[in-house]
Amino acid sequence: ETGVTQSPTHLIKTRGQQVTLRCSSQSGHNTVSWYQQALGQGPQFIFQYYREEENGRGNFPPRFSGLQFPNYSSELNVNALELDDSALYLCASSLVGPSGRGEKLFFGSGTQLSVL
Amino acid sequence: GESVGLHLPTLSVQEGDNSIINCAYSNSASDYFIWYKQESGKGPQFIIDIRSNMDKRQGQRVTVLLNKTVKHLSLQIAATQPGDSAVYFCAESDGGATNKLIFGTGTLLAVQP
Repeated sequence: ETGVTQSPTHLIKTRGQQVTLRCSSQSGHNTVSWYQQALGQGPQFIFQYYREEENGRGNFPPRFSGLQFPNYSSELNVNALELDDSALYLCASSLVGPSGRGEKLFFGSGTQLSVL
Repeated sequence: GESVGLHLPTLSVQEGDNSIINCAYSNSASDYFIWYKQESGKGPQFIIDIRSNMDKRQGQRVTVLLNKTVKHLSLQIAATQPGDSAVYFCAESDGGATNKLIFGTGTLLAVQP
């Protein structure tokens, strides 16, 4: 167990709807990242939050947004859902030191999102 | 990005044999590499990591080898067990401002009893 928890575990939405996924980081970690994993593929980086600000973003449109809270928990919001958004959404936490470089990411079990 | 659809490369081994899973990375500026194991319905689980100033690192039953000349990474699992059956991903970090990991396509390890 990594100590990273995500909710809900499964979710079904229809095209055009909005969704919020939640993540609780491992105790002591100050950075949270979100990844999208399509079936049969490796996780793809969506964005990262450090000290409640986004400090890195992958190739995802603005309708993917997030928040990090003072207790280092996080949310991923996706607006105007599309069929291709169906995937496993993974949250990962890490501890980034003063150098700005972090160590290994610890992943949660993910939220399986199905868009119909 | 990488896309191999539903047909992951598969490595089938007998229980007790050693397994070697290979990975090619793309960015010569990457300075941190990591292997994850992912079982069905679960998130990736950390196995072992290595920085670019090292060629080899050993853990419990696992060894990671890094060849920067040919941009190749391998994971060796000694005395493979049925519980090792999973999809294995290598990932690289380019040393940028974020902790962003770039994942490979994954290899399915199937351990035959």
